[in-house]
Amino acid sequence: GESVGLHLPTLSVQEGDNSIINCAYSNSASDYFIWYKQESGKGPQFIIDIRSNMDKRQGQRVTVLLNKTVKHLSLQIAATQPGDSAVYFCAERGTGKLIFGQGTTLQVKP
Amino acid sequence: DTEVTQTPKHLVMGMTNKKSLKCEQHMGHRAMYWYKQKAKKPPELMFVYSYEKLSINESVPSRFSPECPNSSLLNLHLHALQPEDSALYLCASSQWTGGNQPQHFGDGTRLSIL
Repeated sequence: GESVGLHLPTLSVQEGDNSIINCAYSNSASDYFIWYKQESGKGPQFIIDIRSNMDKRQGQRVTVLLNKTVKHLSLQIAATQPGDSAVYFCAERGTGKLIFGQGTTLQVKP
Repeated sequence: DTEVTQTPKHLVMGMTNKKSLKCEQHMGHRAMYWYKQKAKKPPELMFVYSYEKLSINESVPSRFSPECPNSSLLNLHLHALQPEDSALYLCASSQWTGGNQPQHFGDGTRLSIL
C-alpha cells in the first residue's frame, strides 16, 4: 500500500546550523510532494513542493531534494532559527489524495 | 495568517449535542477538505468536496455529516459523537482536486467530547 514515512521522530539542532529532515515514500507512481510545517496550536502551513520531474527546488532558506531512485525526499533548512521549531510533515499525492508521513519534530537549541 | 478560516477555534460538547464546524475560503478554490488530526499524528482525510459535490468519503461514521453550501463554505455537522472523536478538525482547500497544487489549511477546531 501507499505510505510516506519520516526517518526520525525528533531532530534537535543548534540555532544557526543547517537542518535536514528526511522522508521515505513507497509509491513510485507518486508525482507530487509537499512539505508542511505545523506549529503548536496551528494548522499545517505549506512550505515548499516539488514535482516528480524535478530533483531539487529552492525557496527562501529551504531546499527540497527528491531522489526517485531510492524514493527519498528531504527538506533542508539553512541557518535554522528558533521560529523554525515545529513538526514537519512530508506529503505525497497518490490516488487523488494527499498521504502524510508521520512527522518530525524539529527542536532548535539557542 | 491563514487564508482558510475555521470557526469555532475550540468546542466542547456532550455526546448528545448537535453542533457544526464551519470553514471559509476566498481564494476561489473549488476543492475543499475535512481532516481529523489526533495529537502527535498526521492529518487523516475524512471528506473531499469538488465543485460543491462530495467526491470522497473515507468511510467516516454517519455522526459526521459534511455540507458544502457554496464554493466558499464548508460545514461539518456533528451529532452523537463519542469521546474518541475528540481531536483537531482541519479544513483545507485547493484550486481543484487534480493537478499538482498544494492544499492550504486552516488552524482547525479543537473538539472535546465529554
